[in-house]
Amino acid sequence: AQSVTQLGSHVSVSEGALVLLRCNYSSSVPPYLFWYVQYPNQGLQLLLKYTTGATLVKGINGFEAEFKKSETSFHLTKPSAHMSDAAEYFCAVSGGRGSTLGRLYFGRGTQLTVWP
Amino acid sequence: KAGVTQTPRYLIKTRGQQVTLSCSPISGHRSVSWYQQTPGQGLQFLFEYFSETQRNKGNFPGRFSGRQFSNSRSEMNVSTLELGDSALYLCASSLESEAFFGQGTRLTVV
Repeated sequence: AQSVTQLGSHVSVSEGALVLLRCNYSSSVPPYLFWYVQYPNQGLQLLLKYTTGATLVKGINGFEAEFKKSETSFHLTKPSAHMSDAAEYFCAVSGGRGSTLGRLYFGRGTQLTVWP
Repeated sequence: KAGVTQTPRYLIKTRGQQVTLSCSPISGHRSVSWYQQTPGQGLQFLFEYFSETQRNKGNFPGRFSGRQFSNSRSEMNVSTLELGDSALYLCASSLESEAFFGQGTRLTVV
């Protein structure tokens, strides 16, 4: 079975500060891991993904995440926050393999606020 | 390349009515999934279709149903609407390792 826990439903940072959003997962198969961002009244936009290979993955808008198997974690970071980063962020793990990605299991989300 | 298109964007229905939501996936994608998003429950999986076959189903009552057509477009139907069905319904089309979401349909049941 797969599940995702996001620590902290709300995170606030100052503009220019480090962003760290935490995600821990459990998976009965080698996981595919994802971070999505959602702006108000919008769908989910993929920030980055880990499937296999390099454990540090870079995404859009300066975000990156590191897959740590021993800690079952996939934390999202950005060195310097921008006002436009304010949004809700979701971590997800896939339950599928083969021809389809299958069901995504989502965390409850982390609302990021960026102060000027 | 066009993204995932969901119609309509907003919908208001009365309790007891039924509703049909539509999703057009990215060209070439044969897998479509549906999710319900509410403040209380978060993102919950409804069902997944691949080549017109339902592959996976979440834990929702039988009032929630879906189908996929030969052109990969998908519809989901909710019958006998309840107030608790008010939510953002998201459709995703996917390949082997990536899922792309539409803008969603905001359903309000009054």
